[in-house]
Amino acid sequence: KNQVEQSPQSLIILEGKNCTLQCNYTVSPFSNLRWYKQDTGRGPVSLTIMTFSENTKSNGRYTATLDADTKQSSLHITASQLSDSASYICVVSAGNTDKLIFGTGTRLQVFP
Amino acid sequence: NAGVTQTPKFQVLKTGQSMTLQCAQDMNHEYMSWYRQDPGMGLRLIHYSVGAGITDQGEVPNGYNVSRSTTEDFPLRLLSAAPSQTSVYFCASSRTSGDGDTGELFFGEGSRLTVL
Repeated sequence: KNQVEQSPQSLIILEGKNCTLQCNYTVSPFSNLRWYKQDTGRGPVSLTIMTFSENTKSNGRYTATLDADTKQSSLHITASQLSDSASYICVVSAGNTDKLIFGTGTRLQVFP
Repeated sequence: NAGVTQTPKFQVLKTGQSMTLQCAQDMNHEYMSWYRQDPGMGLRLIHYSVGAGITDQGEVPNGYNVSRSTTEDFPLRLLSAAPSQTSVYFCASSRTSGDGDTGELFFGEGSRLTVL
């Protein structure tokens, strides 16, 4: 069964600190992996999209990594800001069905 | 550039009532879709469309109807609302089918529906 699991479910950090969110998937065949940021009460916004051949992709202070062999991805946030408080959703695309499988998200809270 | 616009943002219905959630995009995207988001669950696909005149069912289509008469608009109709349809609904669009290597999905701001 195609699944995307994210950990931790929630995370609290202090402003200025770094953090790493994890995403494990069992989607086959794999097409691409995406990370979205969803602010409370808003729609998800794309951070990165990575294909099989990409193992690192950055978007400002956000850096996503992909290990297609172990089927794991991580999202690293550097020098966190209060505005980073949001849910972060990992999404994997199944290449043979055009289907997107969504994780349940990690809720990040950044405190001053 | 408005992107994906959803209306209404909030709606309360009584069981058995019908209503339409509106979605419009101004990016000339062929692919449009509707998702629902419930606590503790990932976004689930309700219906999608790969172009005007073409629609198909997603993972949880029961109780919902869609049509795509133009590239810009993709309304979602609740035929007879039930409490199980209480959720936050998101419309999304993309330039490709949604899983291509450049198929970034653009979401609307969501419509929060409560069915009493």
